[in-house]
Amino acid sequence: AQTVTQSQPEMSVQEAETVTLSCTYDTSESDYYLFWYKQPPSRQMILVIRQEAYKQQNATENRFSVNFQKAAKSFSLKISDSQLGDAAMYFCAYRFGGGADGLTFGKGTHLIIQP
Amino acid sequence: GAVVSQHPSRVICKSGTSVKIECRSLDFQATTMFWYRQFPKQSLMLMATSNEGSKATYEQGVEKDKFLINHASLTLSTLTVTSAHPEDSSFYICSARPGDFLYNEQFFGPGTRLTVL
Repeated sequence: AQTVTQSQPEMSVQEAETVTLSCTYDTSESDYYLFWYKQPPSRQMILVIRQEAYKQQNATENRFSVNFQKAAKSFSLKISDSQLGDAAMYFCAYRFGGGADGLTFGKGTHLIIQP
Repeated sequence: GAVVSQHPSRVICKSGTSVKIECRSLDFQATTMFWYRQFPKQSLMLMATSNEGSKATYEQGVEKDKFLINHASLTLSTLTVTSAHPEDSSFYICSARPGDFLYNEQFFGPGTRLTVL
């Protein structure tokens, strides 16, 4: 079974600085997707970024980028120019490639933005 | 687009009663819907996967007789917590997957907070 590990329960960063959230995963599959989700206090899950395992290029969405190391099974999220609105829980998630499966989530990292 | 709603957003019930939670895809047809459970300060755990018109597939350890899932149409799935007990108190989140979307993305509802007294 696949597992997702987030080893940082909490991270703190100064506003406008850069922070990296770590995620490792374990799977025997070759076709899969990886995601980072943001969960603010409202608890609405918001997709931040996705990465297809077959793509070597790291995904980027504005201030958010990932470092996908397939061989190491590592999938970190870098947030540049941190903003107060970035404060939230961040969950790393895995999904088998077919799309019919649910997501396996890590335990989450609570990101604090210091003004 | 791709909006998912849940109703109710909060529900309080007495121990032993049943509670129904609805999950609706508002602007797309969802071939698959997923139900997750989130305890306070914890992660989301997949409970079950439901496909329209067929029986739900439950994850290991989830009691199918306690958590009844019905996916009667392409826009509606319901989760019924039967004979609820205080340990069933949790945040329940659904997600819906449109079958023809490019990435087979899942779109999440806003969640339902269940409190069992």
